[in-house]
Parts: sequence; C-alpha cells; structure tokens
Amino acid sequence: NAGVMQNPRHLVRRRGQEARLRCSPMKGHSHVYWYRQLPEEGLKFMVYLQKENIIDESGMPKERFSAEFPKEGPSILRIQQVVRGDSAAYFCASSPGNRETQYFGPGTRLLVL
Amino acid sequence: AQTVTQSQPEMSVQEAETVTLSCTYDTSESDYYLFWYKQPPSRQMILVIRQEAYKQQNATENRFSVNFQKAAKSFSLKISDSQLGDAAMYFCAYETNSGYALNFGKGTSLLVTP
Repeated sequence: NAGVMQNPRHLVRRRGQEARLRCSPMKGHSHVYWYRQLPEEGLKFMVYLQKENIIDESGMPKERFSAEFPKEGPSILRIQQVVRGDSAAYFCASSPGNRETQYFGPGTRLLVL
Repeated sequence: AQTVTQSQPEMSVQEAETVTLSCTYDTSESDYYLFWYKQPPSRQMILVIRQEAYKQQNATENRFSVNFQKAAKSFSLKISDSQLGDAAMYFCAYETNSGYALNFGKGTSLLVTP
C-alpha cells in the first residue's frame, strides 16, 4: 500500500514564476492537508481539502496561493509569482476521514532564486 | 489558538540509554489529540505515537512511550534503548477535537552517540 506521494521532491523557480506542487493521498484517503515548513521551524497548517471542496484555508496566504483537490487526480498546491520568502518545504498529509491520523508525504522542497 | 512548546532545541543520548523529550501545550479544550512525529535527515515526517486526551492510559509503541499529564498540559516522549536510527528532529503536535489542523512545536533535535 503506497504512502502519500508528492512530486516533485525538489523544485527550483525564479522569482515571478509559478510553482505547482502535487500530492496523491494514500489509497482510501479522501482528506488532504497542506503544511509549510520554513527553515528551523515546525510545520504550519495551510489548507484542508476533501474531494472537490476546500474545507479550511485559514492558513493560506491571501494572495498568490491556491489549492484544489479534484474528483480525479492529485491535490495541487499552486503558488503564483513566487518570491524568495516562499522557499520552504511543503508537506502534504492525508487521512481516511476527519479526526483520523494524518500520514505525511516526503515533502516538496521549493527554492526560489 | 493552541500553542505547543518544546523547550529543548537539542538533546543528546548515548546508544542503549533512555532519553525524554518534553512538550507542553496551551488549550482550553478538554478533548483533543496529541502526537509525536519524527523527522530524520530525509525530512520525511513519520508518526511516532498518538494520544487521545480522554484516555488516562499513556500510549506506548515499542521503545517509545509518553507521559501524558493532562492537568499540567504536558506530553513528554520517552525513548528507551536508544538506537542510532532514532537520531532525528522530533515534533510534538496538537489537534483539537473540533478541528483537524495540527499545531506543531518547533522541534527537538535528538543526537544519538555510539
């Protein structure tokens, strides 16, 4: 049973470009969560999605960031017009339901030059 | 907002010895979940142990156990018979009963020496 998959594992972008991070949850999991980890920090919650719905995006920056979890395919975290401060590790987690243990993917390391 | 505090930025333990990592949290809720996650150099987040606040009994997973003191809002992790592979960042996390977002502490870096 494959775990949570994220790709790419490493992503380099220049300022002003777009970054697309993908997350495939574990089989049977319909709840997806995105977290961001800045250097020397713990993970910070960004957004919680169920299939085709954003449940809570209170941790998402108001501008440039968006997330989706379509009926078919992986969840996507999209960052438009990236800036150097967006450089971080972005982790996706999934769970089979609400209040169930979240299992994390390996993360995507985004570097903005 | 609930806050999670890990007061030990770094800890060191010798192989086969026991080490305890501390974690305190701030909440007004009575029902919630607590977790310890491990992040080795690969940066993968790995669940170590989970505790439900309504359960009196401390959770254990092989060499890992917790000391959950609800009144003191303390949730420490004990690692027995430490192994070199235990070297990692350890994060304490809190999840509310009415929510789903995990609130993480800043982590404790554990070094295991031969």
